[in-house]
Parts: sequence; structure tokens; C-alpha cells
Amino acid sequence: ETGVTQTPRHLVMGMTNKKSLKCEQHLGHNAMYWYKQSAKKPLELMFVYNFKEQTENNSVPSRFSPECPNSSHLFLHLHTLQPEDSALYLCASSQTHLRLAGVSNEQFFGPGTRLTVL
Amino acid sequence: RKEVEQDPGPFNVPEGATVAFNCTYSNSASQSFFWYRQDCRKEPKLLMSVYSSGNEDGRFTAQLNRASQYISLLIRDSKLSDSATYLCVVNIGSGNTPLVFGKGTRLSVIA
Repeated sequence: ETGVTQTPRHLVMGMTNKKSLKCEQHLGHNAMYWYKQSAKKPLELMFVYNFKEQTENNSVPSRFSPECPNSSHLFLHLHTLQPEDSALYLCASSQTHLRLAGVSNEQFFGPGTRLTVL
Repeated sequence: RKEVEQDPGPFNVPEGATVAFNCTYSNSASQSFFWYRQDCRKEPKLLMSVYSSGNEDGRFTAQLNRASQYISLLIRDSKLSDSATYLCVVNIGSGNTPLVFGKGTRLSVIA
């Protein structure tokens, strides 16, 4: 167990549906991340939150809407997705997003949500 | 030039073989380097950080060459359980920039 959980693990949705992905970390970290992993592509960073504040939005379409109510929880709200959005969505956390001497910024990943958009 | 570039493989090697992966990065100001491992249909997990002086962890050795902007991972005495995709990860730039992942190199160790 990495201390980062994600639900649901699998999701199939139509293009007109609205759904949410949930991530929770039990590691006491202050930074959380959403990544997208498509087949034969590298992990793509979507969003970064540091101390509940969004610090990075990597030109993600507005049909993906993140929410970070506290340092332990991160959501990704989905609406009117396209079939090309089908992918593995991974959540990660790290002690901090900042580069500080003596502080590891190793990221711990959740198991991911495998999303299929029909 | 891509920010982080890796040979995708696959590398098919027999048990007991030594295999090496290289990864190049584009930003000379990068400061943090990692190798992650990702098993099929699982999440990435940190294998080891890469330090300027190089570091070793059992059968795994990581090295950094700043002049040529590449990092390497050497696996000695390969085991079947080493079969996975190995991701090169770099903190691009000198500030609080996020980590950038390579596409990964797939390794299959064969009995």
C-alpha cells in the first residue's frame, strides 16, 4: 500500500455524463497531483495543488475540473468528456511541491482510475 | 528535442543478464532525477533517486552525467521480477517545476 487511494478503480461513462474521481492520501503530504496516462504516451501532468492551492494547470480542457478541499483529498470532476479522454488517471502526493534542501519531493502514486468514455 | 527521452524498448534479456537504460533530458538546469518502476496495469513507484555522485542499491546502480545531460540505470543479475517499465523522471528547470516523466523503457526478463 502506498498510502494513496483512488476511487473508483474503473469507470465507464458516456459523453454526456458527469462523474467525479476521488483521491485520498494518508501520508501527511502537502502536495497532490493529477496525471493522465494514455497508451504509448508518457505520464502527463494535469494539475498540482500545494497546501490546497492550485499551483499548476497544464493547459487542461475545462471539461476536467479539479477540487482540493484539504491537503488529504483531491477530486477530479468530469463532464462532457470525449472518447480520447479515455485513459488511466493517476493521483499522486508528495511532502511538498517546493524544492527544499533536505526534503524529498518523491511522489507516491495511487492505483489509478481506468476511465473509458463511450 | 523532447524534455525527457528514453529508448522505449522492449529489452528482452535472459535471467542473470546485465542490462542498462539511458535517458536524456533537455534542460541543463534540472536538479532532481529519479527512476520509477511501473508494473503492468499498476501505478509507478519510486525505484531510486539519482545523485550526482551516482548511487547503488543492491543490483541497481544509477548514474548522472550532467555534461552530457543523461542518466542511466544499470541492473545486474536480472530477475524475472525485474520485468516492468522503467520511467526516467526529471525535475525540469531549477525552480519549483514539476516532475516530467519519460515514456518509459520496457524490460522483459526471460527464464
